[in-house]
Amino acid sequence: DVKVTQSSRYLVKRTGEKVFLECVQDMDHENMFWYRQDPGLGLRLIYFSYDVKMKEKGDIPEGYSVSREKKERFSLILESASTNQTSMYLCASSLRDRGLMTDTQYFGPGTRLTVL
Amino acid sequence: SQQGEEDPQALSIQEGENATMNCSYKTSINNLQWYRQNSGRGLVHLILIRSNEREKHSGRLRVTLDTSKKSSSLLITASRAADTASYFCATVGNQFYFGTGTSLTVIP
Repeated sequence: DVKVTQSSRYLVKRTGEKVFLECVQDMDHENMFWYRQDPGLGLRLIYFSYDVKMKEKGDIPEGYSVSREKKERFSLILESASTNQTSMYLCASSLRDRGLMTDTQYFGPGTRLTVL
Repeated sequence: SQQGEEDPQALSIQEGENATMNCSYKTSINNLQWYRQNSGRGLVHLILIRSNEREKHSGRLRVTLDTSKKSSSLLITASRAADTASYFCATVGNQFYFGTGTSLTVIP
């Protein structure tokens, strides 16, 4: 079974702090994704990566950056956390399907981040 | 929005009844996927239907796709209390777009 793990289930940070959210997958997937989930807004894509050191902005990249130094690990960085970044953060991975990103996504359990 | 939109937003049924959720979308797709999310957890993939397929079954799940109407439905038959969760459709073209979900409550 594919396993996607996230470093923390719950995290509380203060405004202005630098926050690292880590995601690791064990199935050699090329694609990895970071989403945030807010009530009434569904899942919104922050960034995705289709290969090591490659990254692409999603729909809401402002205030975030990412790092993919190894194939299995994809990190989301909040450079200076703000209260409007309080949310559930979900990491996912998938195989690269014929060069596209159309295959099933496998999700981690999520990190609920609270910024005070 | 390029997201799929689920309907209804919330659904409450008795155990043993069937549950139907609908998803409408606007752009052309490669495939459409349904996911389930238990409260406070990550999403779990349920079923994928390709754009050239009209119907697909998996256990108690039945998914239909009508590309001319840009809509899909998920039917859960003989529901159980353990089916209580949120259900999301994901429309997949060049990217994934998740809808806002249907919250299903199955009352024992």
